[in-house]
Amino acid sequence: GNSVTQMEGPVTLSEEAFLTINCTYTATGYPSLFWYVQYPGEGLQLLLKATKADDKGSNKGFEATYRKETTSFHLEKGSVQVSDSAVYFCALTPNSGGYQKVTFGIGTKLQVIP
Amino acid sequence: DTAVSQTPKYLVTQMGNDKSIKCEQNLGHDTMYWYKQDSKKFLKIMFSYNNKELIINETVPNRFSPKSPDKAHLNLHINSLELGDSAVYFCASSQGPGTSAEAFFGQGTRLTVV
Repeated sequence: GNSVTQMEGPVTLSEEAFLTINCTYTATGYPSLFWYVQYPGEGLQLLLKATKADDKGSNKGFEATYRKETTSFHLEKGSVQVSDSAVYFCALTPNSGGYQKVTFGIGTKLQVIP
Repeated sequence: DTAVSQTPKYLVTQMGNDKSIKCEQNLGHDTMYWYKQDSKKFLKIMFSYNNKELIINETVPNRFSPKSPDKAHLNLHINSLELGDSAVYFCASSQGPGTSAEAFFGQGTRLTVV
């Protein structure tokens, strides 16, 4: 079946540090890949996505590149802020036709300290 | 103007009671979902409806019964509540069951069973 593996947190960084949250996936074919963010007390919201190999998704200074050869979609940001503190979920939807279901990773909590 | 709204936001109830959570989306989406998020932030899909038709039914106890009166609403009824049902329940919707369809989440209902 499909699966998403992401690093367990929490990840604690100082403001302006470089962020990487690793995500690898298992799926047949060419799934679509997503990063969702959940701020405290809120629901998830889409941060960025990529729908085919070598696509780069970007939003709010975050980036992730769809790497088919390494089945990865790592999230990066060059300089984090306290307001980036949240839980980040890597996710995929398969491309196998019919009804799809989103498979989420376990979520990685990011804490940014001033 | 909330896209996906669910009520109530908090629900505290005793074991054995029956309760309902309501969800409405005003995005015109065809597909709606219920997710359960446990205390470790792990997100698990429970049900998915497409145009009022049940398309995904994960291994959820039959005490949980979804109902979709129309494609803009997906309610969740829970019978005989147990302590282990305590979690945050999220409703979500997407344009369709397609591969690149972004999911929009409600703010969650925090259910506490005492």
